[in-house]
Amino acid sequence: LAKTTQPISMDSYEGQEVNITCSHNNIATNDYITWYQQFPSQGPRFIIQGYKTKVTNEVASLFIPADRKSSTLSLPRVSLSDTAVYYCLVVRMDSSYKLIFGSGTRLLVRP
Amino acid sequence: ETGVTQSPTHLIKTRGQQVTLRCSSQSGHNTVSWYQQALGQGPQFIFQYYREEENGRGNFPPRFSGLQFPNYSSELNVNALELDDSALYLCASTLGGVPTDTQYFGPGTRLTVL
Repeated sequence: LAKTTQPISMDSYEGQEVNITCSHNNIATNDYITWYQQFPSQGPRFIIQGYKTKVTNEVASLFIPADRKSSTLSLPRVSLSDTAVYYCLVVRMDSSYKLIFGSGTRLLVRP
Repeated sequence: ETGVTQSPTHLIKTRGQQVTLRCSSQSGHNTVSWYQQALGQGPQFIFQYYREEENGRGNFPPRFSGLQFPNYSSELNVNALELDDSALYLCASTLGGVPTDTQYFGPGTRLTVL
């Protein structure tokens, strides 16, 4: 599976838009990009998944350029409760359901 | 709330002991995966069960074993505990239809090995 690279940490302020970029240079044709959020002492929670171009749901947007070698998770108008670790994963469309997590990006939202 | 529950919440064991962790998957989900998360790291895939059969395993030794029951609940057993086994153990359930289906994680069991 394609290895992902994302910043170790990011700081932001309440009300700002946060963009977290993930690099996945070796992504394959049948791979999807998925983002999870994790709060301390809780299990990860699915945020968004996409294959190409742009996907938007009620909590985030995911931008994927044509070459799919990177992706950007966009969180609009963050609040203190968005302080968490965000994981970018590449999920393969095969018989396996395993998720390969990296170290994630620790987002700190300040007042 | 994901509908995935795990027990116990916390557990303290000593080196060499054995432990069993339990997971109840979300209703209708036939696939359960287990992950180990050490402090400050991302979760690491241990293994997965699909309809009571192991369906993939990560880089963990055989002393990590599991079971899935007809109601799709699951157990993770760890024998001969080592200090490095101290971690948050997470289970995740999936509907099981498509690999890109969302995995719903439970709150985890915090295991401390002394």
